[in-house]
Amino acid sequence: GAVVSQHPSWVICKSGTSVKIECRSLDFQATTMFWYRQFPKQSLMLMATSNEGSKATYEQGVEKDKFLINHASLTLSTLTVTSAHPEDSSFYICSALGLAGEVWSNNEQFFGPGTRLTVL
Amino acid sequence: SQQGEEDPQALSIQEGENATMNCSYKTSINNLQWYRQNSGRGLVHLILIRSNEREKHSGRLRVTLDTSKKSSSLLITASRAADTASYFCATGGDSSYKLIFGSGTRLLVRP
Repeated sequence: GAVVSQHPSWVICKSGTSVKIECRSLDFQATTMFWYRQFPKQSLMLMATSNEGSKATYEQGVEKDKFLINHASLTLSTLTVTSAHPEDSSFYICSALGLAGEVWSNNEQFFGPGTRLTVL
Repeated sequence: SQQGEEDPQALSIQEGENATMNCSYKTSINNLQWYRQNSGRGLVHLILIRSNEREKHSGRLRVTLDTSKKSSSLLITASRAADTASYFCATGGDSSYKLIFGSGTRLLVRP
């Protein structure tokens, strides 16, 4: 149980285009999802917290107008990188917290497999 | 913000040896978790230790937590080549359930 998927797994786009990444909780409902970015050989940096039915909370230094987050349902959050540039090339990972008591109380996030974005 | 530091940054050992990774953090925490990441892949949750616990075991993994020193260690015993991966500690501190990740240790287990 507690599987999180991401789509696409990789994407290559031209500079200036927008890219949408989906994060889905497959077998549980997630009121809260998190988006991380990871540059090569570095750690995960939290970008934003996505809450179902409300606006996302962005970490300091993350441009909310550039990284649009929509958490429209209890199983889906999307991250749209608008007007992507080569410096946005990175590995984007989402995670989800479930409504289930065990997941919630343990603060265990379930991570998606990641999306590798390459902007040419 | 990234609050955890891990050492060593990289560790190379022979199969069968033990691997120890250390994590230090800066603020008070509710719990500390360890994750594994194979190259270019997502994260796999290994173990969670709460702030009122001092040691926890799971298979070949042993985690210790010293809240007075704000540090934790992950010990992998009898390592295998398949343990080759990056290992991250992550701290959870408040009701927001946000996790702050450490810098990671890249472990190479040589066959």
